[in-house]
Amino acid sequence: DVVLTQTPVSLSVTLGDQASISCRSSQSLEYSDGYTYLEWYLQKPGQSPQLLIYGVSNRFSGVPDRFIGSGSGTDFTLKISRVEPEDLGVYYCFQATHDPLTFGSGTKLEIK
Amino acid sequence: QIQLVQSGPELKKPGESVKISCKASGYTFTNYGMYWVKQAPGQGLQYMGWINTETGKPTYADDFKGRFVFFLETSASTAYLQINNLKNEDMATYFCARRGGYYWYFDFWGPGTMVTVSS
Repeated sequence: DVVLTQTPVSLSVTLGDQASISCRSSQSLEYSDGYTYLEWYLQKPGQSPQLLIYGVSNRFSGVPDRFIGSGSGTDFTLKISRVEPEDLGVYYCFQATHDPLTFGSGTKLEIK
Repeated sequence: QIQLVQSGPELKKPGESVKISCKASGYTFTNYGMYWVKQAPGQGLQYMGWINTETGKPTYADDFKGRFVFFLETSASTAYLQINNLKNEDMATYFCARRGGYYWYFDFWGPGTMVTVSS
């Protein structure tokens, strides 16, 4: 199974600063069709996960442009510029290139 | 509007069975696969598998083969997760989520159903 390693495990950020989360895969996530099925989800406290980024770098509808996904192959990054209070929660990367689909272990973002 | 509405919390004893429902509305049920995700208390998200809503064919991740059953009531746009012979480690919140569309991602999630297993 593909293992997604997220770092850091937790992150404490001052409002207005940038946060960066890494997601490293044990295998390349580029599918045979050239698409990379790497997504980022945010689970706010007490809520279901919500989609932020799909296909490495595409923001889902309604997601602010402060959220930027990048990377390729096995190394991916989610950057959140100008962190706001509503950004707190746990961020998960997720891959759907290989079966079984797998989630990263999560990164908890706290506001200082 | 698109909604996935899940059944309420359950309290069960070890060895019992539980059936969780996920009722979809606001879209054509058979156009999207229905996926299940487990979240144990204080833990991360774990992919369980999915059911093809066109054919009814379930696919299970390895950790969920045997006691876990995905099935449909297509006429009611409802997917079900049944867990048989409950164990303490099944205590968790279970989410359903639809996946599909051109880019194939989880765009709508249910609110989750909490299952407590206690003797």
